[in-house]
Amino acid sequence: AQSVAQPEDQVNVAEGNPLTVKCTYSVSGNPYLFWYVQYPNRGLQFLLKYITGDNLVKGSYGFEAEFNKSQTSFHLKKPSALVSDSALYFCAVRFMRDDKIIFGKGTRLHILP
Amino acid sequence: DVKVTQSSRYLVKRTGEKVFLECVQDMDHENMFWYRQDPGLGLRLIYFSYDVKMKEKGDIPEGYSVSREKKERFSLILESASTNQTSMYLCASSSVINSYEQYFGPGTRLTVT
Repeated sequence: AQSVAQPEDQVNVAEGNPLTVKCTYSVSGNPYLFWYVQYPNRGLQFLLKYITGDNLVKGSYGFEAEFNKSQTSFHLKKPSALVSDSALYFCAVRFMRDDKIIFGKGTRLHILP
Repeated sequence: DVKVTQSSRYLVKRTGEKVFLECVQDMDHENMFWYRQDPGLGLRLIYFSYDVKMKEKGDIPEGYSVSREKKERFSLILESASTNQTSMYLCASSSVINSYEQYFGPGTRLTVT
């Protein structure tokens, strides 16, 4: 079955430290992969996507994500966290068989000052 | 600037009422989606549409229907609202032109009493 997993409900990181938010998926073929962010009382905003090509993709606000086909993962990363990065992060996958886009359950990121 | 609008930010309805949630996008996107967002469950796909008058069931279509009579408008209908449909409803649109990156509306918080 097609699925997206974000194994951590919450991630706490000290300001200035590197951060990683994990995402894995289960699908056959080559999916499109996305990360979105939701700040408090605001709508979802697109951060970055992987379609094809270089496994490391760069996005908004200094975020990047690494596509690993063998591990079927697409982890979100940032070298140095800011308090303003505190938000809810969602991984999403578009499966090639149809136009359905499925989201993970979300990971709440807390950056501690 | 791209825009997805939803008809209401907050809505309170009684059990058994028929509820219409409307979504309009101004980007000429062919794909439109309805999700509900619940704490701990992330975003769950209710229905999506890849063209006018076309619709596809998502993961949780029960109790909902949709209508897409015009390309820019996608309506979600709760035929007989129930308390377990109290949730945040998010509309999104996307296009193959931008590799299916989704643009989200601000959401409608529906409370069914």
